[in-house]
Amino acid sequence: QLQLQESGPGLVKPSETLSLTCTVSGGSISSSSYYWGWIRQPPGKGLEYIGLIYYTGSTYYNPSLKSRVTISLDTSKNQFSLKLYSVTAADTATHYCARKKSGSGWFDYWGQGTLVTVSS
Amino acid sequence: QSALTQPASVSGSPGQSIAISCTGTSSDVGGYNFVSWYQQHPGKAPKVMIYDVSNRPSGVSNRFSGSKSGNTASLTISGLQAEDEADYYCNSYTSSSTWVFGGGTKLTVL
Repeated sequence: QLQLQESGPGLVKPSETLSLTCTVSGGSISSSSYYWGWIRQPPGKGLEYIGLIYYTGSTYYNPSLKSRVTISLDTSKNQFSLKLYSVTAADTATHYCARKKSGSGWFDYWGQGTLVTVSS
Repeated sequence: QSALTQPASVSGSPGQSIAISCTGTSSDVGGYNFVSWYQQHPGKAPKVMIYDVSNRPSGVSNRFSGSKSGNTASLTISGLQAEDEADYYCNSYTSSSTWVFGGGTKLTVL
């Protein structure tokens, strides 16, 4: 059974960098069959797509976040990561990592989510 | 990219049917058959209920169905049950090779 688990600091200061890691178990992030991505949800608000990465390293970012986001793979650890630069309070959100099957339009497995608060 | 448009809330009584709409443009919902619907209970991760417009993943009740006409997709839930009370989000592929979510709809079972 595939499992995804987010990890990283729960508190980040304004103007600094938010860094999260998603550890995948029960499947390989090197598979050509899937994309791996990040989705966030501010408290009490809706879901927002952040971006996806393919095993080749190709990335697909939300245009509104593209200038501040990097998603990368670490195949040796079967992990992928999110970095969001120059954060503000508006970036406070629960962040989910998820898997999307190649050639289809759905995120079939999700992590439990981790809340990151931006505050001094 | 702009979020897809969903009604903020819908409600229905047990046993009734409801529909939730998701309106986009020809650059997302109308242009591709990659529309999915997610159910989210408070404090939980989203769960996919419908994918690729009208397909149901294994294990999802056949009371959930999806459709699309033009730039608007719809999720229909028949035979409403108390456990269906949750937030629902649509999601679509876009012409920018990215994905966009709807603003979400709160379903209340009266």
